[in-house]
Amino acid sequence: EPEVTQTPSHQVTQMGQEVILRCVPISNHLYFYWYRQILGQKVEFLVSFYNNEISEKSEIFDDQFSVERPDGSNFTLKIRSTKLEDSAMYFCASSELGDRGTNYGYTFGSGTRLTVV
Amino acid sequence: DQQVKQNSPSLSVQEGRISILNCDYTNSMFDYFLWYKKYPAEGPTFLISISSIKDKNEDGRFTVFLNKSSKHLSLHIVPSQPGDSAVYFCAASVGYGQNFVFGPGTRLSVLP
Repeated sequence: EPEVTQTPSHQVTQMGQEVILRCVPISNHLYFYWYRQILGQKVEFLVSFYNNEISEKSEIFDDQFSVERPDGSNFTLKIRSTKLEDSAMYFCASSELGDRGTNYGYTFGSGTRLTVV
Repeated sequence: DQQVKQNSPSLSVQEGRISILNCDYTNSMFDYFLWYKKYPAEGPTFLISISSIKDKNEDGRFTVFLNKSSKHLSLHIVPSQPGDSAVYFCAASVGYGQNFVFGPGTRLSVLP
């Protein structure tokens, strides 16, 4: 079964450093997403990406964040200058446009646990 | 402002019995709903969806009911199995392919 792959599974970084989280979505999917879950809190939407541009972003997704699809297969999330509060599990997801009446949702990766120290 | 609410943080059910997970939403523009299951240290796994043109959708042991007038949906799992023990998230969106608003989750424990 196709899957969304995220690397690394765990990243530890010092406050103020830049991190890049990587995702390989399912190859025929057209929509890409980043979500995060701070420990003990709910899953939060960060950004959606379609047709090589951001289609929607939340207020969490400020100027410190950026996304890129550099080569047609990878989808990356960059945090320019990490803060302690960026520590969270970051999930990548992808989906294809489908019939809304059928059982269809997103495929999530297993996540990258980011720890900012 | 919680647009999607799951008021029960946890639920325990005996194996073989029915599990009913509830979700309420406030935004009447939501028209597409999903249930996800999540194990510790893993990403959410899609379970079942329903669009606002339906009031019920069934897939094996999982059935989702949608009541648009009360802005309520529920997930029924029959029969419950120990492997169903996980956190269940309800999510809603305005239109397919748009970002989802997740509820806070309900931890289901199925006891053998």
